[in-house]
Amino acid sequence: GGIITQTPKFLIGQEGQKLTLKCQQNFNHDTMYWYRQDSGKGLRLIYYSITENDLQKGDLSEGYDASREKKSSFSLTVTSAQKNEMAVFLCASHGQNNQAPLFGEGTRLSVL
Amino acid sequence: GDSVTQTEGQVALSEEDFLTIHCNYSASGYPTLFWYVQYPGEGPQLLFRASRDKEKGSSRGFEATYDKGTTSFHLRKASVQESDSAVYYCALRASSSFSKLVFGQGTSLSVVP
Repeated sequence: GGIITQTPKFLIGQEGQKLTLKCQQNFNHDTMYWYRQDSGKGLRLIYYSITENDLQKGDLSEGYDASREKKSSFSLTVTSAQKNEMAVFLCASHGQNNQAPLFGEGTRLSVL
Repeated sequence: GDSVTQTEGQVALSEEDFLTIHCNYSASGYPTLFWYVQYPGEGPQLLFRASRDKEKGSSRGFEATYDKGTTSFHLRKASVQESDSAVYYCALRASSSFSKLVFGQGTSLSVVP
């Protein structure tokens, strides 16, 4: 069976630091997403990509960059970590447009 | 823009209680509606979805019916168990928009024995 792997599982950064989160999927899915999860605010879309080398901004893209150099991987960069920031970043993917996205287990970010 | 509203932020129940989590949406046409469940330390996983008016989705004793008239997709379960404790998310994918999935704020369910 397929899997979505997010690395690292836990990430501790310093204020102002550039941090990169990685997501790999072996489903051969075309579309991939990055969501940010904050307590009480649900999942907010940061970036998504409908194919290799495609990038589309979500509602929360400011302060982030993304990269989709291969179909199987989608990276997210926090360009300057904010002090006391705590959130979970979730990667998801699906094949055809009518499929429900599958999620990875998330990367938990803490900024000191 | 498209949006999903979950009325309850937190729900606390005893085992065998009846559960309702309210979900209302705003979108044009016929969006596809989803319910996801997220257990601690895991990513959200699909419970079920529905794409047409009056279509019922169901899984693991949970069910919801697509109601275009009231723009709702409320989640119900007749008798909850402690193992149902989790966060539940309602989501939609608009019929006019490729790919983008919009989530509600989530509802944290706690069930005590």
